[in-house]
Amino acid sequence: AQKVTQAQTEISVVEKEDVTLDCVYETRDTTYYLFWYKQPPSGELVFLIRRNSFDEQNEISGRYSWNFQKSTSSFNFTITASQVVDSAVYFCALRRGSNYKLTFGKGTLLTVNP
Amino acid sequence: GAGVSQSPSNKVTEKGKDVELRCDPISGHTALYWYRQSLGQGLEFLIYFQGNSAPDKSGLPSDRFSAERTGGSVSTLTIQRTQQEDSAVYLCASSFVAGVQETQYFGPGTRLLVL
Repeated sequence: AQKVTQAQTEISVVEKEDVTLDCVYETRDTTYYLFWYKQPPSGELVFLIRRNSFDEQNEISGRYSWNFQKSTSSFNFTITASQVVDSAVYFCALRRGSNYKLTFGKGTLLTVNP
Repeated sequence: GAGVSQSPSNKVTEKGKDVELRCDPISGHTALYWYRQSLGQGLEFLIYFQGNSAPDKSGLPSDRFSAERTGGSVSTLTIQRTQQEDSAVYLCASSFVAGVQETQYFGPGTRLLVL
């Protein structure tokens, strides 16, 4: 079975702090895909990144960076110099290589205070 | 439009009534997905369409739930004889094709409240 665990239910930081959102996944598949989505108060899920299981290279996009480690089955997301606009619920998701459905974690509510 | 659109944005209904939720995918996207987001269950997959056919209906919670897609575009999710536990946000997503590498792009959702 597939499972995604986001152990941090809520995180609160002050603007300009760095923050890391944890994601641990379980799958027996050798081919799989990992995703992060952002859900602001408006409710729409906004795609942030997709990672393939055969590509462990970390990625940086502006203030966002992702650390993918197969050895620990983790796909953590770091926001550098957080801003109030980063406040949202962040979801980590997993998709098997042979299936189209996304399995989501429970989400982490990030609040960035001014 | 540029993104996935869903209507209505909000729907309040009485227990026992039928409801229809609509999803208009991104133009050119052939695959369409329905998910449900509720406080207790988080985000759950309901059904996926490739074109007008639904190869995977495994997530539909009961036979009160059905979905169809016509013309390879708009999809309708129908809930018959609604129950209070059906209250949730229903999210629709689309992708260019149904390939497993494809990214699903989500709409704003329909917030359903069953009284």
